[in-house]
Amino acid sequence: SQQGEEDPQALSIQEGENATMNCSYKTSINNLQWYRQNSGRGLVHLILIRSNEREKHSGRLRVTLDTSKKSSSLLITASRAADTASYFCATATDLNAGGTSYGKLTFGQGTILTVHP
Amino acid sequence: KAGVTQTPRYLIKTRGQQVTLSCSPISGHRSVSWYQQTPGQGLQFLFEYFSETQRNKGNFPGRFSGRQFSNSRSEMNVSTLELGDSALYLCASSLAGTSGSRQFFGPGTRLTVL
Repeated sequence: SQQGEEDPQALSIQEGENATMNCSYKTSINNLQWYRQNSGRGLVHLILIRSNEREKHSGRLRVTLDTSKKSSSLLITASRAADTASYFCATATDLNAGGTSYGKLTFGQGTILTVHP
Repeated sequence: KAGVTQTPRYLIKTRGQQVTLSCSPISGHRSVSWYQQTPGQGLQFLFEYFSETQRNKGNFPGRFSGRQFSNSRSEMNVSTLELGDSALYLCASSLAGTSGSRQFFGPGTRLTVL
């Protein structure tokens, strides 16, 4: 089952506007990552935020993490047509015994972002 | 460094056949994970390999198997293909495969089962 639920499922905006996507998850996490996927191709890593961080920036991207609410948001500022893609949040979880869930990322269903020129 | 490569990029098979997909990780990365992506189920974790050992496995039937070679290249095999196995199969590599590791994804292999 999917750990993350993303909201909205689809978002359509004009170039230059900001785009905000939200992600909620169910279990405690080690970190949360955001990925972009263009038209059924491979995933491109955007940003990783650790569970002890609240906010992170990378270029036009801003990610926040609220572990008390088990939620994260991705803000893309001044969007461009090239930002049109699907965006996924993914969580990495440590096992209860203190080990690590090797290699496993649990993905949300994704948000389809369309930026109109 | 070259990115993660996957071969073939596209495959068409018929029900009952078997298929082998290949993944070459980024040089120096020892962990390779595999994911299945379908419109209905989204992205789901299949398994992870590190130093030729499977360390983690998702919730898939035994028809899905994999292995990793000493050069960290990995293959996954699906036997007795079913229509529902049609999907984009993605592999990802990372240095250690631990929960704190960033994963780098390949372009995927699109499998169509007829």
